[in-house]
This record gives sequence, C-alpha cells and structure tokens, in this order.
Amino acid sequence: GENVEQHPSTLSVQEGDSAVIKCTYSDSASNYFPWYKQELGKGPQLIIDIRSNVGEKKDQRIAVTLNKTAKHFSLHITETQPEDSAVYFCAARTNTNAGGTSYGKLTFGQGTILTVHP
Amino acid sequence: DTGVSQDPRHKITKRGQNVTFRCDPISEHNRLYWYRQTLGQGPEFLTYFQNEAQLEKSRLLSDRFSAERPKGSFSTLEIQRTEQGDSAMYLCASSSFTSGRTDTQYFGPGTRLTVL
Repeated sequence: GENVEQHPSTLSVQEGDSAVIKCTYSDSASNYFPWYKQELGKGPQLIIDIRSNVGEKKDQRIAVTLNKTAKHFSLHITETQPEDSAVYFCAARTNTNAGGTSYGKLTFGQGTILTVHP
Repeated sequence: DTGVSQDPRHKITKRGQNVTFRCDPISEHNRLYWYRQTLGQGPEFLTYFQNEAQLEKSRLLSDRFSAERPKGSFSTLEIQRTEQGDSAMYLCASSSFTSGRTDTQYFGPGTRLTVL
C-alpha cells in the first residue's frame, strides 16, 4: 500500500518568514495530493491540493509543488502569521476499484507542528 | 452550517463498554469515510461507504468495530467491548465525485474517545 513520509515533524519560524514542509510517497499510482491544517481539538481542514497532472499550484500565501519523478511534494507558506500555527498534514490518494466504482482513500503523513512566533 | 458534523464530540467510557458515534455528512455527498487518529499521528483510513454500501474495510477495523450507513445519509460507527487501545480521535469525511473534479474529502470535527 501507499506510504507517506513527512518532514520536519516540528517547524518554528518568525512571523513574516517562509515555511516549507516536504512529503514523499511510495505508490506511483497516487494521483492527488491534498494538504490539511488541523488546529487543536478540530478536524483537518483542506487548505490546498494538487493533482498529478500539475506541477505547481498557488493560492495567495500558500503554494504546493509536485515532482512525480522523485515522488515528492511540498507545501510552501510565505509571509507566515501567528494564526498559521497548527499541525499540517500531507496526504496521497490512490484510486481503488470496488463495487463497480472508483474511489480514493487518503494516506496521511505524520504531521508537522508549525509554530509562528510574533 | 453545512459542513460535516459528528456526535458526540467527546466520549469517556470504561473498558468493556460499547460506544456508538454518529456522522452527518454534507447533504449532497454520497461518499463517506471513517478515519482514526491517535495522538501525534496522521489520520488512518478505517472504512468507506458509497451511498449505503460499505465498499472497503481496513485491517484496522477489527470484528469489534461495525459501521453502517442505512439510508445513504448519516453513518454510525460502533465499537463493542472497548479496549484502552481504542482511545483515539475518530474522524468522518465526506465527498462527492463529479466527472472532471477531484474527490475532495471534507472532514468533521471528530469524536475523541477515551477508554479508561
């Protein structure tokens, strides 16, 4: 099955700096890579995602890059703010066929605790 | 609020008791997933429903666990004879696949289970 490794496990930056979180995956059939932000006591919230036919995607201060050959993808947050402090998870989705349909379960990385100091 | 909702948010139980959690997906979503998240880890897939059909169960889902989605709307996850190792956050996610769009999963707030 799919295996996703995420680094670093903790990341501390000063407000205004950039933060980069990296993930690698093992299954070359994985075709969709979402990033989730999880705050204390809450469920994961989707912040950005990228499909395998795209190399880069940007949404305001957040960007994601994908290197299919190397099987790794990264989250970039620029101009960090204290409210960006949270746990960030990467995930990879591989399609599964069952019951005459195709669906995708997510395999998550171990998470990165991001702390942005004012 | 039209997001995924879960009930209860917290559950404390004694070892050996049965517990049941409920998930209400986003109303037009026909796909529903359950995940389990232990402290300091990412969520792990437990089971998947498409409408009322349970199409996949993870090996993590022992025979003490059962999930249902009787009318293709809300879902329940029951754990029988709870063990301390069952202590975790149980997350529900829903999605709707439309041709040409990615099957984006939206998560609920989770149910935190503590087994004493």
